[in-house]
Amino acid sequence: DVKVTQSSRYLVKRTGEKVFLECVQDMDHENMFWYRQDPGLGLRLIYFSYDVKMKEKGDIPEGYSVSREKKERFSLILESASTNQTSMYLCASILGGRNSGQPQHFGDGTRLSIL
Amino acid sequence: DAKTTQPPSMDCAEGRAANLPCNHSTISGNEYVYWYRQIHSQGPQYIIHGLKNNETNEMASLIITEDRKSSTLILPHATLRDTAVYYCIVRANNAGGTSYGKLTFGQGTILTVHP
Repeated sequence: DVKVTQSSRYLVKRTGEKVFLECVQDMDHENMFWYRQDPGLGLRLIYFSYDVKMKEKGDIPEGYSVSREKKERFSLILESASTNQTSMYLCASILGGRNSGQPQHFGDGTRLSIL
Repeated sequence: DAKTTQPPSMDCAEGRAANLPCNHSTISGNEYVYWYRQIHSQGPQYIIHGLKNNETNEMASLIITEDRKSSTLILPHATLRDTAVYYCIVRANNAGGTSYGKLTFGQGTILTVHP
């Protein structure tokens, strides 16, 4: 089974802090994603990466950056946390290329609260 | 990606089959149908997917109509632990660009399994 592991289930940080969210997958997937999920807004893509050291902005990249130094690990960074970044953050991965419709797999999520 | 329409909520008695419908009348030939579910405060869990043919795995069955404009997810013997929000998603298997791999979740169907 595919395993996508997020480092924390719950996290509380203060405004202005630099916050790191870590995600690891064990299936040698090329593509990895960071989403946030908010009530009434659904899932929104922040960033994705299709290879080591490669990244693409999603729909809402402002205030975030990412790092992909190793294939299995994709980190989301909140440069200076603000209260409007309080949310559920979801990491996902999928096999790259034309993958015959293989599904995207998600981690359990990190519920981040910025005070 | 094609838009999907699902009923906002459904009930099911424990032990009975749960049949969750999804309309995707604008689906294109290269678009797959995916089903995920999300239990409160957890990440989305992949259930099943298909292109044209009906599919079955250890969790569920997926019935896709011949014209591919709708599908039904079947949980053959629902349990209380199947209570969740179920999402039907249609996505093409495209390579490249920010659209590749990105999932868009609608409002889904809240399935409540009762004793």
